[in-house]
Amino acid sequence: DQQVKQNSPSLSVQEGRISILNCDYTNSMFDYFLWYKKYPAEGPTFLISISSIKDKNEDGRFTVFLNKSAKHLSLHIVPSQPGDSAVYFCAASVPSGTYKYIFGTGTRLKVLA
Amino acid sequence: EPEVTQTPSHQVTQMGQEVILRCVPISNHLYFYWYRQILGQKVEFLVSFYNNEISEKSEIFDDQFSVERPDGSNFTLKIRSTKLEDSAMYFCASSVKAEQPQHFGDGTRLSIL
Repeated sequence: DQQVKQNSPSLSVQEGRISILNCDYTNSMFDYFLWYKKYPAEGPTFLISISSIKDKNEDGRFTVFLNKSAKHLSLHIVPSQPGDSAVYFCAASVPSGTYKYIFGTGTRLKVLA
Repeated sequence: EPEVTQTPSHQVTQMGQEVILRCVPISNHLYFYWYRQILGQKVEFLVSFYNNEISEKSEIFDDQFSVERPDGSNFTLKIRSTKLEDSAMYFCASSVKAEQPQHFGDGTRLSIL
């Protein structure tokens, strides 16, 4: 099942710079996308979401961009902070009755002080 | 901030034994989910539950699995006769509405010996 892919397993960024995490999907029926952050020994924590009717959603330091024609979404974190170091998962869902999520494999972000 | 709580944090069980994983979703949430993550793999959807019945289940969720909301606050996942391949992190999640973000617990690590 490769419907949601995160091709970069890891990313290192200097504190204060921009972190860009990428996610590609194959199912054109997906209409809702989310980013989650996960620390070790904790569950995924919701960060930000975007509906397919939008191409951008912003919440503080986090912005998600959606390019439907390319079936690509990205998460921008500006400025990056050491506390942002975690594994980031993108997830997608179809508008079925229960909105089950299909997750990517995750990208481990390390923000260097 | 309200959170989803899961118990136990770690469960070790002999193969063939029954196991019950417990979750207390956020109190005003109406949609409940179980996901699992086998070590090194993606987070996978198992089952969704709404209005006291299963809304959707994956191929993984076979006859050995069942879910229950016995008392209006707990949400449980039972595996009747565990197999070695059931070893994984099991995450419970809940949402206010199906189209709202799901909030995850910290998971139960299930180890089958």
